Amino acid sequence: KAGVTQTPRYLIKTRGQQVTLSCSPISGHRSVSWYQQTPGQGLQFLFEYFSETQRNKGNFPGRFSGRQFSNSRSEMNVSTLELGDSALYLCASSYDFFNTGELFFGEGSRLTVL
Amino acid sequence: GENVEQHPSTLSVQEGDSAVIKCTYSDSASNYFPWYKQELGKRPQLIIDIRSNVGEKKDQRIAVTLNKTAKHFSLHITETQPEDSAVYFCAASKGDDKIIFGKGTRLHILP
Repeated sequence: KAGVTQTPRYLIKTRGQQVTLSCSPISGHRSVSWYQQTPGQGLQFLFEYFSETQRNKGNFPGRFSGRQFSNSRSEMNVSTLELGDSALYLCASSYDFFNTGELFFGEGSRLTVL
Repeated sequence: GENVEQHPSTLSVQEGDSAVIKCTYSDSASNYFPWYKQELGKRPQLIIDIRSNVGEKKDQRIAVTLNKTAKHFSLHITETQPEDSAVYFCAASKGDDKIIFGKGTRLHILP
C-alpha cells in the first residue's frame, strides 16, 4: 500500500510570493490534515479536509488555505509569504475522525522564505 | 480552546534507564491521546495511543498512562536503547474536532 506522498519536497520562495503544496493520501483514506512544523512550536494543526469539505481549522491567518479534490488529494496554499512561514509542512491522512486511529504522515514539504 | 503542554522539552537518559514524558490537556472532553515518534529527518509515526475509557496501555517497552481527573497522560519507555533517540509528540483529540499536539520532547539516549 503506497504511503502519503507530498510534493514538492523542498522549495525556496521570496517574501510576497505564494506557494501551493500537494498531498496524496493513502488509498481509501478520506481525511487529509495539514500541519506546520517549526523547531520551537512543534506540530501545529492548520486544517483538515474530509470528502472535499473543510471540517476543522486551526488558528492560522487567512493567507493559509486548502482544498480537497474528489480523489481525496489535497492542496494547501500560502499567499503573500512571510519570513515566518519558513517551516516543514506535513500532511497526514486517516480513515475518518482524529480519534478513530492513526494519522499517517507524509515526509513533508520544506519551505524556505527568503 | 484546547491546549496541550508537554514536558520536558529535552530529556537525556543513560542507555538502559527509563524515560518519562508528561503531557497535560485542558479540554475535559478529549477522549483520544496518541503519541508520535519522529526520528531525525523522518516523518512522525504513531507508537502508542490510549482512549479515555482506559487508564493504562502497554506495548513491549512502551507504556502510556492516563489520569482523566488530573487531565494528564504520560509516556514511559523502559530499558531505553539508542534507537529510542527521537522527538516524541503527545496529542489530544475529541473526535470531530481539531487535534492538538504538544511541542515535543527531544529524547537523547546516552551511551
